[in-house]
Amino acid sequence: AQSVAQPEDQVNVAEGNPLTVKCTYSVSGNPYLFWYVQYPNRGLQFLLKYITGDNLVKGSYGFEAEFNKSQTSFHLKKPSALVSDSALYFCAVGDRLSGSARQLTFGSGTQLTVLP
Amino acid sequence: EAQVTQNPRYLITVTGKKLTVTCSQNMNHEYMSWYRQDPGLGLRQIYYSMNVEVTDKGDVPEGYKVSRKEKRNFPLILESPSPNQTSLYFCASSLTRDSRTDTQYFGPGTRLTVL
Repeated sequence: AQSVAQPEDQVNVAEGNPLTVKCTYSVSGNPYLFWYVQYPNRGLQFLLKYITGDNLVKGSYGFEAEFNKSQTSFHLKKPSALVSDSALYFCAVGDRLSGSARQLTFGSGTQLTVLP
Repeated sequence: EAQVTQNPRYLITVTGKKLTVTCSQNMNHEYMSWYRQDPGLGLRQIYYSMNVEVTDKGDVPEGYKVSRKEKRNFPLILESPSPNQTSLYFCASSLTRDSRTDTQYFGPGTRLTVL
């Protein structure tokens, strides 16, 4: 079975400081990994994904994430946070071994608040 | 504009009164899906569809029905809603059938309250 954990419900960071939103996963084979962001009263928006290749993935709005197979992690990072980055962030995982009939599993979400 | 639309955006209803939430995408996507979002539980998949007339259960299908008669539409039907179906619902679509690798595009959400 596949699962994903976002250990922090809430992350607060000061504007201009680096931010990290944590994600760990569990799959039988190799993972496909996604980050989505949800702004208030909006649907989820794609930020970035890891399918294969370079472990460091760059995405929208200056975000990046590093796939770490040994630690089964895919933490989301940004060097300098903006107040406008305040939102709910979801990590999601799919299992390469499962075949296309098996879907993504989403984490419970982490609320990021960037303080001015 | 490429988008996924849902209607209604807000709905308050009573237990047992059948309702339908519509979902439509204008991107000619193969794959469509319904999720519910609950605090502390994240997004959980209700049903998905890989093509017209092809639907399958997700993780939490009980109490829901779907249909995919046309490629662009994927309505969610609650035949007899109950209070535990009070939630925020999202429709999503992606170009290809493999939701493990393809980017999903989400609708704006429907907030349903069942009294």
